[in-house]
Amino acid sequence: GENVEQHPSTLSVQEGDSAVIKCTYSDSASNYFPWYKQELGKRPQLIIDIRSNVGEKKDQRIAVTLNKTAKHFSLHITETQPEDSAVYFCAASSAGNKLTFGGGTRVLVKP
Amino acid sequence: DVKVTQSSRYLVKRTGEKVFLECVQDMDHENMFWYRQDPGLGLRLIYFSYDVKMKEKGDIPEGYSVSREKKERFSLILESASTNQTSMYLCASSLTGEGYGYTFGSGTRLTVV
Repeated sequence: GENVEQHPSTLSVQEGDSAVIKCTYSDSASNYFPWYKQELGKRPQLIIDIRSNVGEKKDQRIAVTLNKTAKHFSLHITETQPEDSAVYFCAASSAGNKLTFGGGTRVLVKP
Repeated sequence: DVKVTQSSRYLVKRTGEKVFLECVQDMDHENMFWYRQDPGLGLRLIYFSYDVKMKEKGDIPEGYSVSREKKERFSLILESASTNQTSMYLCASSLTGEGYGYTFGSGTRLTVV
């Protein structure tokens, strides 16, 4: 089955700096890659996703890139703000709608 | 706005008890999922269902079972709770088709003592 690895597990950045989280996946048939943000005590929420026919997608301060050849994808957050502090999960989907998640990255934005 | 509701936010159960975790979604989603979330391990899939009365094992089904008698409701059952099942349990639902993300419930934090 699919295996998703996520790095780093924790990330501390200064407010205004950029944050990058990287994920690799194992199943070359995977074709959908969402990212979820989970604030403390809350449910994970979808923040951005990318499909395998697209190399990059941007939404305001967040962007995701996908390299299908290397089987990795990344989340980029620019101009970080304190409200970006959360745990971020990447995921990959191959068969049907079943998602396999990475281990999560705890992001701390220091004012 | 899709709502996925989990019946309990916190539960404390004793070892050996049979535990039911309930999840209801109100947007006619075909797919429903149960994950457990543990620090450093991310979200791991326990069971999922693509239709009423249908269930499939996920990556860590041991010690769990599920029931889906109605489209909107997906129940997770711990047949005989053990301390290593202490965790946060998250239910999610989605539409069928390529590239639909999940909507998660708020989670149930289960402690088995």
